[in-house]
Amino acid sequence: EPEVTQTPSHQVTQMGQEVILRCVPISNHLYFYWYRQILGQKVEFLVSFYNNEISEKSEIFDDQFSVERPDGSNFTLKIRSTKLEDSAMYFCASSGYNTEAFFGQGTRLTVV
Amino acid sequence: ILNVEQSPQSLHVQEGDSTNFTCSFPSSNFYALHWYRWETAKSPEALFVMTLNGDEKKKGRISATLNTKEGYSYLYIKGSQPEDSATYLCAFIKAAGNKLTFGGGTRVLVKP
Repeated sequence: EPEVTQTPSHQVTQMGQEVILRCVPISNHLYFYWYRQILGQKVEFLVSFYNNEISEKSEIFDDQFSVERPDGSNFTLKIRSTKLEDSAMYFCASSGYNTEAFFGQGTRLTVV
Repeated sequence: ILNVEQSPQSLHVQEGDSTNFTCSFPSSNFYALHWYRWETAKSPEALFVMTLNGDEKKKGRISATLNTKEGYSYLYIKGSQPEDSATYLCAFIKAAGNKLTFGGGTRVLVKP
């Protein structure tokens, strides 16, 4: 069964460093998303990506964040100059046109 | 800001009992409502995609109803089993957008 894969599963980084979270969406999907969940809080939308560009982004997704689909298979989330409050579980998801989303297992980011 | 609320936040159910819980969402600009099941240490998995007012969907012992005019959906679990223990998330999609806006989830614990 096709699945969304994310790497790494856990990333520890020092405050101020840059991190890149990687995702391989399901191959025939069109829409790609990043969500995050800070411990004990709701799942929050960060960004959606369609046709090689950002289609929607939340207030959280400021200049510190960027996404890229560099080679037609990977979908990456870059966080520049990480802060303590960026510590969260980051989920990548993909979907076809208005179908359910398939989620990766998540990357737990810990900023120390 | 779209307000998607789930209640209760958590509930304990005795094995064999039936239970239900609610997702409320904006009743204007409705496109679809998704239900996801999220087990600990796994990624969210889609249960239902609901689009029409009055929709009822069923998968085994789990079913869901949808009322788009008043902005709510119920998820029912009949004859709860320990393997039903999970967090159940609803996610709303407004018209002309593909972003999922998640509720906070209902955490269900089924006691043997």
